[in-house]
Amino acid sequence: AQSVTQPDIHITVSEGASLELRCNYSYGATPYLFWYVQSPGQGLQLLLKYFSGDTLVQGIKGFEAEFKRSQSSFNLRKPSVHWSDAAEYFCAVGVGGGSQGNLIFGKGTKLSVKP
Amino acid sequence: GAVVSQHPSWVICKSGTSVKIECRSLDFQATTMFWYRQFPKQSLMLMATSNEGSKATYEQGVEKDKFLINHASLTLSTLTVTSAHPEDSSFYICSAREAGMNTEAFFGQGTRLTVV
Repeated sequence: AQSVTQPDIHITVSEGASLELRCNYSYGATPYLFWYVQSPGQGLQLLLKYFSGDTLVQGIKGFEAEFKRSQSSFNLRKPSVHWSDAAEYFCAVGVGGGSQGNLIFGKGTKLSVKP
Repeated sequence: GAVVSQHPSWVICKSGTSVKIECRSLDFQATTMFWYRQFPKQSLMLMATSNEGSKATYEQGVEKDKFLINHASLTLSTLTVTSAHPEDSSFYICSAREAGMNTEAFFGQGTRLTVV
């Protein structure tokens, strides 16, 4: 069965420090992978996505993610975190023939940023 | 990116009443819309997929008679929670996408439903 695992429920980093949020997936076919960010009480904003091609994907707000098929991972990174990055981050895999709307989400990682 | 508007942002209703949530695509034609539910401190769970002019496809365990979905036009889908109970209290989020492979789905801002 398809699934997405985000091992870290809550991460705290200092402003300016680097960040890596982990995501592992289980999916039988070539995955379509996504990272979303959600601010409290808000909907989701797409940070980046991987469909095919270059396994290092650049997204908005200075985020990037690397698809590693051998590790079934799609970790999100940012070299220098800003206070405004504090939010909940969700990794997701697209199912149903690659339809981006039909997504299976991980449980999310809450990011806190220390001044 | 395209805009998906969800209304209302929050609603409080009495147990036993019905609540309708609207999801509108403001600047594109949404052939497919998705409804998700998010419990506190949990992830989003897909409830149903609706294609314009067709009956919605519900995920396993979702009561179709309780969560009525209508997608009558290319810009509007509605979710009606019928005979709401406190356990239906949750955050409901819709997403919408255009036709075609790999088109991006855009999310609404969500609706916080509280049933008292």
